[in-house]
Amino acid sequence: AQKITQTQPGMFVQEKEAVTLDCTYDTSDQSYGLFWYKQPSSGEMIFLIYQGSYDEQNATEGRYSLNFQKARKSANLVISASQLGDSAMYFCAMREFYGNKLVFGAGTILRVKS
Amino acid sequence: NAGVTQTPKFRVLKTGQSMTLLCAQDMNHEYMYWYRQDPGMGLRLIHYSVGEGTTAKGEVPDGYNVSRLKKQNFLLGLESAAPSQTSVYFCASSSQERVRTGQETQYFGPGTRLLVL
Repeated sequence: AQKITQTQPGMFVQEKEAVTLDCTYDTSDQSYGLFWYKQPSSGEMIFLIYQGSYDEQNATEGRYSLNFQKARKSANLVISASQLGDSAMYFCAMREFYGNKLVFGAGTILRVKS
Repeated sequence: NAGVTQTPKFRVLKTGQSMTLLCAQDMNHEYMYWYRQDPGMGLRLIHYSVGEGTTAKGEVPDGYNVSRLKKQNFLLGLESAAPSQTSVYFCASSSQERVRTGQETQYFGPGTRLLVL
């Protein structure tokens, strides 16, 4: 069974600094996808970034980048130049192939300090 | 284009009562999902559907039933609510065709907050 582990329950970062949110995964599949979602206090789930298991380059989306280390089975999210609006819960998720189902980690609460 | 909508937004039930949560999507997606979110546990899949008329169990299906009579709707039912079912429920959908390209994410509804007393 697939499993996602996020070992940081909470993180603090100073505004304008970079922060890394950790995510490790476990799967026996050769083809898989990894996602990061943001959940602000309002509750909605916002898709941030995607990394495919066969993608050779790390995914980037604006200030978000995914540090994908396949051999270590890690898919850390890097947020550059943190903003106050980045304060939220962040979830790492892995896609199971059939049905495009997602398995989520427990999440990391990020607080950006001014 | 409303995306994924959920009805109701908030509900309080007494133990033993029944209710149905409605999810609707207007993106013509084949796949639909129901998740529950509990503190410290992330989102867990309850049931899902890969097409109209089909449903399948997820990680935590006990105490819930679902139906997908129309492609755009996915209903989640609680026949006899229990306090352990107090949670935030999210519906999501995704496109089968775009999944094949590898990058298709799921589109989430705003959530339904359910309190069972």
